[in-house]
Amino acid sequence: EIVLTQSPGTLSLSPGERATLSCRASQSVSSSYLAWYQQKPGQAPRLLIYAASSRAPGIPDRFSGSGSGTDFTLTISRLEPEDFAVYYCQQYGSSPHSFGQGTKLEIK
Amino acid sequence: EVQLVESGGGLVQPGGSLRLSCAASGFTFSGYSMNWVRQAPGKGLEWVSYISSGSSTIYYADSVRGRFTISRDNAKNSLYLQMNSLRAEDTAVYFCARDKGLRGPHDFWGQGTLVTVSS
Repeated sequence: EIVLTQSPGTLSLSPGERATLSCRASQSVSSSYLAWYQQKPGQAPRLLIYAASSRAPGIPDRFSGSGSGTDFTLTISRLEPEDFAVYYCQQYGSSPHSFGQGTKLEIK
Repeated sequence: EVQLVESGGGLVQPGGSLRLSCAASGFTFSGYSMNWVRQAPGKGLEWVSYISSGSSTIYYADSVRGRFTISRDNAKNSLYLQMNSLRAEDTAVYFCARDKGLRGPHDFWGQGTLVTVSS
């Protein structure tokens, strides 16, 4: 089973700043089958990034993903007020399709 | 418009059973693999189970294998999760989620149904 570890657990930033979220896998994620999701309180998760670096339809270009193998990054170039939420990475290359524990992005 | 609507959640005693349903609309259900993902109160996301479009391939998380059964009825555009031998740690909101490709990622999610296991 691939274990995903996200860091930091909580990130405190101000609107307009740049956010960098990390996701590290315990073993290589095949074919970069790595996704990022955003979840706001009381809502279902929303797909942001898939295949490590492809933006899902309708996702603003301030969101970008990078990485391969065991190290992946989600970058939000300039934070908007609506970006403060919890972010999860997930690998879907092998079963179980594990999630990371999440990074909470909060307003500083 | 793609819609996924879960139902069947509720309060059940430890050791009991529950069957969740997910009604799909707005897309060709038979062409997509589907999943169940759960979230315990105040906790993160946990992938539970996967079923391919034609039901030929099924996967489970270790935490539910042998107790939960995923199935689908493509004629009824519906996904199911039969949950037996429920435990307190199964308490969670259960989401159904569609896979974008053959094996993921999850591009559309329902709003979830709450399952509470308590005496």
